Amino acid sequence: GESVGLHLPTLSVQEGDNSIINCAYSNSASDYFIWYKQESGKGPQFIIDIRSNMDKRQGQRVTVLLNKTVKHLSLQIAATQPGDSAVYFCAESVLTNTGNQFYFGTGTSLTVIP
Amino acid sequence: DGGITQSPKYLFRKEGQNVTLSCEQNLNHDAMYWYRQDPGQGLRLIYYSQIVNDFQKGDIAEGYSVSREKKESFPLTVTSAQKNPTAFYLCASSIVDSSYEQYFGPGTRLTVT
Repeated sequence: GESVGLHLPTLSVQEGDNSIINCAYSNSASDYFIWYKQESGKGPQFIIDIRSNMDKRQGQRVTVLLNKTVKHLSLQIAATQPGDSAVYFCAESVLTNTGNQFYFGTGTSLTVIP
Repeated sequence: DGGITQSPKYLFRKEGQNVTLSCEQNLNHDAMYWYRQDPGQGLRLIYYSQIVNDFQKGDIAEGYSVSREKKESFPLTVTSAQKNPTAFYLCASSIVDSSYEQYFGPGTRLTVT
């Protein structure tokens, strides 16, 4: 089966510091990677994505890095704010002959300390 | 506004009763998915559908059933055969024929006692 996992289940950072959340994946056929943010009791929200032919993509205060050699994905959040406190999931997408297959990590809980 | 809606947000049932969770989307997406989320675990796929009147089992389909009579709707029935139905259920949709992000609904928290 597929496996998408996160190295650390919890992460605490001081407000204003940068956060780095890591993710490992196992399927070399994955062609699309997504980071989601999930607040308590809510559905996951899209943060940023990256295609497999890229190694870096930047958004507003967030950067995703993809290292296909070691099958590693990371999410960097700059100047972390209290509103960033949530669980962050990485997901990989594989387009198969039966449709899109999505595989999710277990999540990292980010706590921002004011 | 385009999006996915799930209802109700909270649902309580007695053991032995079937219960149906609603999922509607107006994004014109062909593909729809149901996931189950338990504390400390990642999302697990229950069922998915790429097109109307067709659906496939996911990793944990036992005790669940779905229908896809309309493109916009993908209801999930949790049957009495599901041994541990209490969980947070998430519906999602995506574009077919493209490895693309999924859009998630707000979720339904089902509690069975």
